[in-house]
Amino acid sequence: AQSVSQHNHHVILSEAASLELGCNYSYGGTVNLFWYVQYPGQHLQLLLKYFSGDPLVKGIKGFEAEFIKSKFSFNLRKPSVQWSDTAEYFCAVNTNAGKSTFGDGTTLTVKP
Amino acid sequence: DAGVIQSPRHEVTEMGQEVTLRCKPISGHNSLFWYRQTMMRGLELLIYFNNNVPIDDSGMPEDRFSAKMPNASFSTLKIQPSEPRDSAVYFCASISTGGTEAFFGQGTRLTVV
Repeated sequence: AQSVSQHNHHVILSEAASLELGCNYSYGGTVNLFWYVQYPGQHLQLLLKYFSGDPLVKGIKGFEAEFIKSKFSFNLRKPSVQWSDTAEYFCAVNTNAGKSTFGDGTTLTVKP
Repeated sequence: DAGVIQSPRHEVTEMGQEVTLRCKPISGHNSLFWYRQTMMRGLELLIYFNNNVPIDDSGMPEDRFSAKMPNASFSTLKIQPSEPRDSAVYFCASISTGGTEAFFGQGTRLTVV
């Protein structure tokens, strides 16, 4: 069965600090990879996605993620966070069987 | 398209009552998911349907929970009888054929008192 592991449950950063959130998945077949963001009081929204091609994916609001197939990883990065990036971030994996599996989420708190 | 539509947005009910949550997926999407989100347990997948057929309901916590998808444009999640520990935000999401991104509804915030 597929699974997604997010290593950091809660990350606290100051504004302008760099961010990297870890995500590892376990599934032997072809996957599509996603990062979703949930701002306080809102529903999940897509941040970025990887299907194929360039393993470095750029998303909205300056976020990017790198797919490293050999490590089964899809880490999320941002060079300089802002207070408005305070949110919960979810990594997700979709398989060709149609199943979508989410990680437990990482809460990011950015101090102004 | 209006996106994934869930109703009601908020529900407050007394313990023991039946609760029915509704979801209308995006037209053309063939996979539908029900999630529950709480502070303690995070985001949990309860059940998902593919072409209206339940594929995996292993996340459904108890027999008090049931879900149906009578057609491609409608799904329900029912809790009978409800308990205070069922209080959570319940999200519905749909995905199109091919495994592209999941589109989430606004969620139903359920409070059982």
